[in-house]
Amino acid sequence: KAGVTQTPRYLIKTRGQQVTLSCSPISGHRSVSWYQQTPGQGLQFLFEYFSETQRNKGNFPGRFSGRQFSNSRSEMNVSTLELGDSALYLCASTPIPSTENTGELFFGEGSRLTVL
Amino acid sequence: AQKITQTQPGMFVQEKEAVTLDCTYDTSDQSYGLFWYKQPSSGEMIFLIYQGSYDEQNAAEGRYSLNFQKARKSANLVISASQLGDSAMYFCAMRGLGHTPLVFGKGTRLSVIA
Repeated sequence: KAGVTQTPRYLIKTRGQQVTLSCSPISGHRSVSWYQQTPGQGLQFLFEYFSETQRNKGNFPGRFSGRQFSNSRSEMNVSTLELGDSALYLCASTPIPSTENTGELFFGEGSRLTVL
Repeated sequence: AQKITQTQPGMFVQEKEAVTLDCTYDTSDQSYGLFWYKQPSSGEMIFLIYQGSYDEQNAAEGRYSLNFQKARKSANLVISASQLGDSAMYFCAMRGLGHTPLVFGKGTRLSVIA
């Protein structure tokens, strides 16, 4: 069974640009969550999608947005990039919304974004 | 709101020895779940073990066990017979009821020495 797939794995952008990251969940999983990981702030929750609807959102500015498609694949977008957006962006999937079960999240390897 | 505290930024352990990684948590929820994840240099978060707040027994999965002390709000991870491949970042996390996401601690970097 294929795991969570994130693309691209690495990317470099400059300030002011925008970026789109993609996440394909494990087959049959309908919930996708996104996390930002930085050395200073650690792992911070961005948002969660289930059945194409945003279920929960973390404390991030409106420059961070996401969506989920009917096949459960998800994308997140960051507009007007800032240096502080440099981070590892992790996607995780579960069969049902992560707040409604006690099962673990299944994570991808992440997309490492560097903003210059 | 939930909060996780991991007080050990880094730890060293000799190969084949046991090691305990500390985790304390804070929550007002009566029902919650506690998780430990391993993150090798590749970046992927690997689930290790889960403990429910109402579970009577401490969780155990292979070489991993969770020392759960509810009154002290601690959920320490014990790794027995450490292996070189155990060198990684380890994160404690928790989730309460309702629409609350998984909250992570800052992590502990474990280095296993041959």
